[in-house]
Amino acid sequence: GNSVTQMEGPVTLSEEAFLTINCTYTATGYPSLFWYVQYPGEGLQLLLKATKADDKGSNKGFEATYRKETTSFHLEKGSVQVSDSAVYFCALSTGNQFYFGTGTSLTVIP
Amino acid sequence: EAGVTQSPTHLIKTRGQQATLRCSPISGHTSVYWYQQALGLGLQFLLWYDEGEERNRGNFPPRFSGRQFPNYSSELNVNALELEDSALYLCASSLGRRRINQPQHFGDGTRLSIL
Repeated sequence: GNSVTQMEGPVTLSEEAFLTINCTYTATGYPSLFWYVQYPGEGLQLLLKATKADDKGSNKGFEATYRKETTSFHLEKGSVQVSDSAVYFCALSTGNQFYFGTGTSLTVIP
Repeated sequence: EAGVTQSPTHLIKTRGQQATLRCSPISGHTSVYWYQQALGLGLQFLLWYDEGEERNRGNFPPRFSGRQFPNYSSELNVNALELEDSALYLCASSLGRRRINQPQHFGDGTRLSIL
């Protein structure tokens, strides 16, 4: 079946540190891959997406590359800010069905 | 362009009561999805509606039900409320089943508290 596995949290980093949140997936067919971010008290916001192998999604300094050979879509940012503190969800879509990871909580300290 | 809107923001009920949550999708979106986000449990898929029909449901008991109206807005009804139904209920919309692999866009949720 289809599923998403993402790195367990919580993750705590100092401001300007490098961030990686790992995400791997299992899917039949050719899924699209997404990262969503959830700030406290809010719903999920689409952060970036990639629709085919080797695509790189990017937004607000975050990047993720769709790696079909390793079935991965790791989220990276070169220099995190306090305002990046949130919960990050990796997700895949096959057709109209979405599968979400369990979320990774990130706290960035000044 | 207005995003996905959900109402009410907060809802407090007691065990055994019934709750109705509402969602208005982004204009032009025909699909509405409902998720339950209980503390520490991630997103659990509840229901998917598209063009007025229920297309899929998650592993929840029948007391969780809903419908989609001709204007594509949706209601989620939870009957015979139990303490463990306390959670944030998120609604998302997308362009619809004829446009596959499109992102979902989320509302800010309804916080349901069962006393």
